[in-house]
Amino acid sequence: NAGVTQTPKFQVLKTGQSMTLQCAQDMNHEYMSWYRQDPGMGLRLIHYSVGAGITDQGEVPNGYNVSRSTTEDFPLRLLSAAPSQTSVYFCASSRAGTSGKTYEQYFGPGTRLTVT
Amino acid sequence: TQLLEQSPQFLSIQEGENLTVYCNSSSVFSSLQWYRQEPGEGPVLLVTVVTGGEVKKLKRLTFQFGDARKDSSLHITAAQPGDTGLYLCAGANDYKLSFGAGTTVTVRA
Repeated sequence: NAGVTQTPKFQVLKTGQSMTLQCAQDMNHEYMSWYRQDPGMGLRLIHYSVGAGITDQGEVPNGYNVSRSTTEDFPLRLLSAAPSQTSVYFCASSRAGTSGKTYEQYFGPGTRLTVT
Repeated sequence: TQLLEQSPQFLSIQEGENLTVYCNSSSVFSSLQWYRQEPGEGPVLLVTVVTGGEVKKLKRLTFQFGDARKDSSLHITAAQPGDTGLYLCAGANDYKLSFGAGTTVTVRA
């Protein structure tokens, strides 16, 4: 199993450009999430999905769109990049643990995005 | 404002010393998870604690969940350079997790 894969690993954008960060998982997990990680702020939830066709906003959704057409894929779209979106982006998948309440996250390797 | 407060933010110790990292919140969680992250990689799950007062051991790492399920601690005994990394706690309610800002641990040889 590859687990959670993300592409690209690095990306530089100019302000106003758009792009899509790709995320795929091969563990048949129901839940998928996108986080951004900034120094001193931990991981903040951008958007999440509880299954194909179902998405919702997290803590910091502005400037990002998601869709989930299949269980495996969960792309994150930046509509018009801004310097404030310079960050490291992590995709994660999870499913309910044996107790039904744990939802441990399996993270991808991250995409390092710089917006100039 | 972080839902989960971790302390300290940075910790630098000598190999063989012990250390404790704290994770505190005013919210109750159905479970609390600890992750370790190495530079350039995604976080990796270390442990999940579910029951108030629960203690779990993973080799030299001991994790405790507070009785009220609002706080947790991670204790490392006889730290080694391989323990160096960013330690993150995360509280779960249903399928949404809230992460602390993390504690950067450096163990000097």
